[in-house]
Amino acid sequence: SYVLTQPPSVSVAPGKTARITCGGNNIGNTNVHWYQQKPGQAPLLVIYLDRDRPSGISERFSGSKSGNTATLTINRVEAGDEADYYCQGWDSPSDRVFGGGTKLTVL
Amino acid sequence: QGQLVQSGAEVKKPGASVKVSCKASGYTFVAYTITWVRQAPGQGLEWMGWITVYNGNTNYAQNFQDRVTMTTDTSTSTAYMELRSLRFDDTAIYYCTREALVRASDVWGQGTMVTVSS
Repeated sequence: SYVLTQPPSVSVAPGKTARITCGGNNIGNTNVHWYQQKPGQAPLLVIYLDRDRPSGISERFSGSKSGNTATLTINRVEAGDEADYYCQGWDSPSDRVFGGGTKLTVL
Repeated sequence: QGQLVQSGAEVKKPGASVKVSCKASGYTFVAYTITWVRQAPGQGLEWMGWITVYNGNTNYAQNFQDRVTMTTDTSTSTAYMELRSLRFDDTAIYYCTREALVRASDVWGQGTMVTVSS
């Protein structure tokens, strides 16, 4: 089955830039979405179709893709950005898959 | 913008079934797909499947194909997910989501905690 690989954890100081990667051998042929999940809350869509932001999501969040790796970038990181982040893609037109998640720690 | 409100927490014994409901409001229910995602304690997100509301077509993840049924009731704008033959490792929070045409889940329910315990 299709696997999306994320680093388990990323740490960044406030005001710096965080980059969270998502690797998969079919990413180049599909799109990736990104979700933020804070403790005790449901996930929140922060990036869709590799790089688009839903309304209400801070411009500090951006997405990109190169080859078989998608990247979520958070500029000027704030304490409130501390959360788990998940990428999502699809294995076929029908099946969806999530990456294992990355815990972002703001130092 | 849309909202999904799920049914309350459940405690079930191994081998039993659970049926979680997900009531939609604030948008045209039949215009979207509903997906179900679960999250075991301290673990990541696991996609379970989807149902296209307007025609009832379903697609289940291979891990759940034999045990899950997803349905909708368009008269009440409610989606349901039934999981049978529950095991201890089915203990998780179950989320329903609204999936847009781009296959992104842009609205999530608050989650339903299902505990399987003897």
